[in-house]
Amino acid sequence: AQSVTQLDSHVSVSEGTPVLLRCNYSSSYSPSLFWYVQHPNKGLQLLLKYTSAATLVKGINGFEAEFKKSETSFHLTKPSAHMSDAAEYFCVVRYTGNQFYFGTGTSLTVIP
Amino acid sequence: SAVISQKPSRDICQRGTSLTIQCQVDSQVTMMFWYRQQPGQSLTLIATANQGSEATYESGFVIDKFPISRPNLTFSTLTVSNMSPEDSSIYLCSVVTANGNTIYFGEGSWLTVV
Repeated sequence: AQSVTQLDSHVSVSEGTPVLLRCNYSSSYSPSLFWYVQHPNKGLQLLLKYTSAATLVKGINGFEAEFKKSETSFHLTKPSAHMSDAAEYFCVVRYTGNQFYFGTGTSLTVIP
Repeated sequence: SAVISQKPSRDICQRGTSLTIQCQVDSQVTMMFWYRQQPGQSLTLIATANQGSEATYESGFVIDKFPISRPNLTFSTLTVSNMSPEDSSIYLCSVVTANGNTIYFGEGSWLTVV
């Protein structure tokens, strides 16, 4: 079955330190991969997406993610966390058709 | 990209009543979806809103509880019927781009049932 796994339900980092949010997918094919951010009391905002172009994808707010087919991973990173990055992050995978699969989310806390 | 407007953004509803959520998109889209996000949870697809035909519901969701309308390519409504406290959730409208590559979301409708 197709699935997407976010390995950490909660991540805490200090302001100014790197952020790593992990996402693994299951598929025999190259999917489209997305990261969305949901700030408190807000809807989901697209951070970045991978759709079979460059494997290193740059998004908004300094975030980037690298598609690694050999590891079936699409981890989200940022070199230096900011207080405003505190939010819920969702990894989303689209395989074939219009079926999108959502991870369970990772809550990012940024400690001042 | 697509700009999606949802209303109401928030509501507090009495048990047993029904509420209709509206979703307006700034461009014509083929695929529109309704999701539910229960407190502290990820998103669950309720149904695909099809223009000109009945919505396609996911397992666990039925038309009597969540009737959906899709009168044209830019608008859809979701009704949450006979609400109970378990229906307290965020309901999100979403659309997929014409090439099917990306999904965009509205700001969500926060429903609290008391």
